[in-house]
Amino acid sequence: DTGVSQDPRHKITKRGQNVTFRCDPISEHNRLYWYRQTLGQGPEFLTYFQNEAQLEKSRLLSDRFSAERPKGSFSTLEIQRTEQGDSAMYLCASSTRWDRGLRPQHFGDGTRLSIL
Amino acid sequence: AQSVTQPDIHITVSEGASLELRCNYSYGATPYLFWYVQSPGQGLQLLLKYFSGDTLVQGIKGFEAEFKRSQSSFNLRKPSVHWSDAAEYFCAVGEADSWGKLQFGAGTQVVVTP
Repeated sequence: DTGVSQDPRHKITKRGQNVTFRCDPISEHNRLYWYRQTLGQGPEFLTYFQNEAQLEKSRLLSDRFSAERPKGSFSTLEIQRTEQGDSAMYLCASSTRWDRGLRPQHFGDGTRLSIL
Repeated sequence: AQSVTQPDIHITVSEGASLELRCNYSYGATPYLFWYVQSPGQGLQLLLKYFSGDTLVQGIKGFEAEFKRSQSSFNLRKPSVHWSDAAEYFCAVGEADSWGKLQFGAGTQVVVTP
């Protein structure tokens, strides 16, 4: 178990630029989640994948946001035309499919995005 | 709609003293409950979880939590805190019949004094 890996750890960009984050889940985990965490708040759900299928998106995920998980392995989260309000920590989590109960999600260390 | 409330934004505790963090939830069915801890600049680490069965659950780092259905609470406790317990703690609720989306409370910041 090598844990959930996120890259980069920090990203500083100018308003209006596009940014892309990567998440590598724990290898046997087929479920992958993206959350956003702003200062002083708990994480908020953005989107969820089971294998390569994106099964739910939060209304927080505007049309400037897109997430993919090709081949059901790593995932990318892209933000186009970044805005000041996009500054946050973006967290990725993964888990296995539950058969009896809800499997805990394992979180990466996040990507902190700062918009200048 | 489900919700999670952590009434205490900030708690200061002396090293060696006991700690209790409160979590209240609002949910129509049996919730799946979690406590996570987050150190500065880090992701979230799972401390413990409750799915069913014994309402007192043990977790890592000497933490335990008790599920009280009548009070819609899932409070986290530790008998004797260590300086390394200084962090932010999040309570989270998951839907029993869903694919695992979690709703988090706003967190409680714990400061440990010598």
